[in-house]
Amino acid sequence: KAGVTQTPRYLIKTRGQQVTLSCSPISGHRSVSWYQQTPGQGLQFLFEYFSETQRNKGNFPGRFSGRQFSNSRSEMNVSTLELGDSALYLCASSLSWGTGELFFGEGSRLTVL
Amino acid sequence: KNEVEQSPQNLTAQEGEFITINCSYSVGISALHWLQQHPGGGIVSLFMLSSGKKKHGRLIATINIQEKHSSLHITASHPRDSAVYICAVKETSGSRLTFGEGTQLTVNP
Repeated sequence: KAGVTQTPRYLIKTRGQQVTLSCSPISGHRSVSWYQQTPGQGLQFLFEYFSETQRNKGNFPGRFSGRQFSNSRSEMNVSTLELGDSALYLCASSLSWGTGELFFGEGSRLTVL
Repeated sequence: KNEVEQSPQNLTAQEGEFITINCSYSVGISALHWLQQHPGGGIVSLFMLSSGKKKHGRLIATINIQEKHSSLHITASHPRDSAVYICAVKETSGSRLTFGEGTQLTVNP
């Protein structure tokens, strides 16, 4: 059974640009959640999607957005990138919303110059 | 004060030692997760607890809901256990996941 797949694994952007990250959950998993990890703030919850609907959102500005497709794949977008957005972005999938074990992807490492 | 506090922040042990990592939280929760993160970033879920105790191989996790405290124990530690261990709680209000700062464990041969 394939695990959670995140693409791209590494990317470099400049300030002001936007970025889209993709997450393909484990087959059959319908919930996808996103997290930001930085050395200063640690791991922080971004948002969670289930059945194409955002069920929960963390304390991040509106520049951070996401969506989920009918096949449960999810994307997150960060617009008008700032230096502080440099981070490891992780997604996790689970069978259902709000419950169950989490399965994490390897992450997308974003560097903003 | 963080909603999830872990101790210790750093822990160095000799191979074979018994290790305990603690997690205290201040919010109402529906579940608590113990996660392991190796260098390079990948995170593995070790346990999800809502009560009592779970065991998997050399790893044991316990939770005391009344005291809002959980512990992760590693018996007969091995250098491959070296990693960051992270406690995360699923809050009952909003069901978001809140993370502790992590415990860096180094096991020397």
